Amino acid sequence: NAGVMQNPRHLVRRRGQEARLRCSPMKGHSHVYWYRQLPEEGLKFMVYLQKENIIDESGMPKERFSAEFPKEGPSILRIQQVVRGDSAAYFCASSPETGPYEQYFGPGTRLTVT
Amino acid sequence: SQQGEEDPQALSIQEGENATMNCSYKTSINNLQWYRQNSGRGLVHLILIRSNEREKHSGRLRVTLDTSKKSSSLLITASRAADTASYFCATVLVNNAGNMLTFGGGTRLMVKP
Repeated sequence: NAGVMQNPRHLVRRRGQEARLRCSPMKGHSHVYWYRQLPEEGLKFMVYLQKENIIDESGMPKERFSAEFPKEGPSILRIQQVVRGDSAAYFCASSPETGPYEQYFGPGTRLTVT
Repeated sequence: SQQGEEDPQALSIQEGENATMNCSYKTSINNLQWYRQNSGRGLVHLILIRSNEREKHSGRLRVTLDTSKKSSSLLITASRAADTASYFCATVLVNNAGNMLTFGGGTRLMVKP
């Protein structure tokens, strides 16, 4: 049973470009969470999705950021017109439909904006 | 402000010693979880303790939870160099339909061989 997969692992974008981060949850998991981690800091919740639905996006900036989790395929976190402040590690986690609520994290995508 | 705050922010010990990390939080929780992160890597779930539990063990790990003080501690006994990592507590809040985690800033543990 493969774990949570994220790609790419490293992504370099110039200011103004778009970044697309992908996350494939563990098999059988229908809940996906995205977190952002700045250097030397803890993770900050961004968005929580179930298949085809955004359940909570309270941690996601209102502009330039969007997320989806289609019926088929991975979850996508999309950042438009990236700025240097978007440079961070972005982690995806998944959990099964029922408890006990522990989340399984992917290896992360490290985004660098030059 | 962060829901969870770890103390200390950094801890350096010798191999074989015990390491204790503390976490405080502000609002009522459903459960509290501890994660480990090796440098530049993803997070690994260590242990989950529910709000109605007071103590849990897993191998060399011991977690306590005091809901009256809104605090938790993680004890790693007989530490090894391989335990060197950052440790984060994360809470799932009551009435949180999404079960999203609210993380503290972490404790950076260094175990010297």
